[in-house]
Amino acid sequence: NAGVTQTPKFRILKIGQSMTLQCTQDMNHNYMYWYRQDPGMGLKLIYYSVGAGITDKGEVPNGYNVSRSTTEDFPLRLELAAPSQTSVYFCASSNPGSHYGYTFGSGTRLTVV
Amino acid sequence: GQQVMQIPQYQHVQEGEDFTTYCNSSTTLSNIQWYKQRPGGHPVFLIQLVKSGEVKKQKRLTFQFGEAKKNSSLHITATQTTDVGTYFCAGPNTGNQFYFGTGTSLTVIP
Repeated sequence: NAGVTQTPKFRILKIGQSMTLQCTQDMNHNYMYWYRQDPGMGLKLIYYSVGAGITDKGEVPNGYNVSRSTTEDFPLRLELAAPSQTSVYFCASSNPGSHYGYTFGSGTRLTVV
Repeated sequence: GQQVMQIPQYQHVQEGEDFTTYCNSSTTLSNIQWYKQRPGGHPVFLIQLVKSGEVKKQKRLTFQFGEAKKNSSLHITATQTTDVGTYFCAGPNTGNQFYFGTGTSLTVIP
């Protein structure tokens, strides 16, 4: 039982490049989330999904896209990377009504130069 | 929209001293969660509080949910170096997505 797995762990992108951050979970959780965390700051919700085929915007969705074709996978796409997207990205999953909170992945540290 | 504020932002304590972080919401919360993030790590779920006035303990950690369900606190008794990290509270919006507070970074001086 691996929990939530994120790849890659680190990445450096040039301005204008694109990439996909991968996230997969093996806990059969319906809900999945993407957060970003800037240095010394809290977590901001980018996008979330309540089940396969359903996605919705969070607090800071601009510059990102997501898809949820399966229960397990919830990739985050960055198009035309900008320095403002330099951050640590965390994927998380949960089940609705659960008393066990979110399970987070170990994060992807992204630098845009 | 949903806002959850935490104070203090930073706290330095001598090992053995107590520590408290406070979480305040602009709206009534159906429940509140607490997480701990070690330096360089990811947030790890600690506890969820649901009932008005609820108090829960985990060893040296005491969590409280206010009577009005708009505030919460985490108190650590006799801190240890293993308590170092950032503590976040998180409250749900109407869609049950959790919005995180700004966090309190705890440094424990041996």
